[in-house]
Amino acid sequence: GAGVSQTPSNKVTEKGKYVELRCDPISGHTALYWYRQSLGQGPEFLIYFQGTGAADDSGLPNDRFFAVRPEGSVSTLKIQRTERGDSAVYLCASSSRTDTQYFGPGTRLTVL
Amino acid sequence: KQEVTQIPAALSVPEGENLVLNCSFTDSAIYNLQWFRQDPGKGLTSLLLIQSSQREQTSGRLNASLDKSSGRSTLYIAASQPGDSATYLCAVGLGSKLTFGKGITLSVRP
Repeated sequence: GAGVSQTPSNKVTEKGKYVELRCDPISGHTALYWYRQSLGQGPEFLIYFQGTGAADDSGLPNDRFFAVRPEGSVSTLKIQRTERGDSAVYLCASSSRTDTQYFGPGTRLTVL
Repeated sequence: KQEVTQIPAALSVPEGENLVLNCSFTDSAIYNLQWFRQDPGKGLTSLLLIQSSQREQTSGRLNASLDKSSGRSTLYIAASQPGDSATYLCAVGLGSKLTFGKGITLSVRP
């Protein structure tokens, strides 16, 4: 079956611009997670959705970052006023009750 | 704050060798532990999930063990193959989120 998909695969933007990153989870998975992975590091947790609501957003670094999941399926991570330090691979994962998190291929964000 | 450590950062072995990858974590109050594989430029592939009540899990040539009290997990790879070359990450789960180590980059030489 289809796995987690993320679009775009690559995004290059200029400092100060606004970007949106999209995640399509595995069909039927109620839990959705966003992580950020910098070069040479493990992924760092950003936010977790259960259904439509953000159950844990403790990993969002500041108020420039925001995520939504309006219908409990697709999620969008939104970054305002991008900074060079936001450059990273943004990973999305989804899970059902089994706890295993299934990851998408990621979106590589480069802020010039 | 949970910290996950994987040492060494890189490992190179000849094909056919059995090997052990280590993972340690500072807070034993975890729900589960998951091992992932990451190929260059790709996302993460889940290999094994061990619940906190379990001691080990096996899948094919892979065996993962968990010792919660000592804050350690190991991933055993039997009869390594060049196709096993990748970065292996362990992640501990508490509640909704995973806390990852930096990973071990494995190279299996033909």
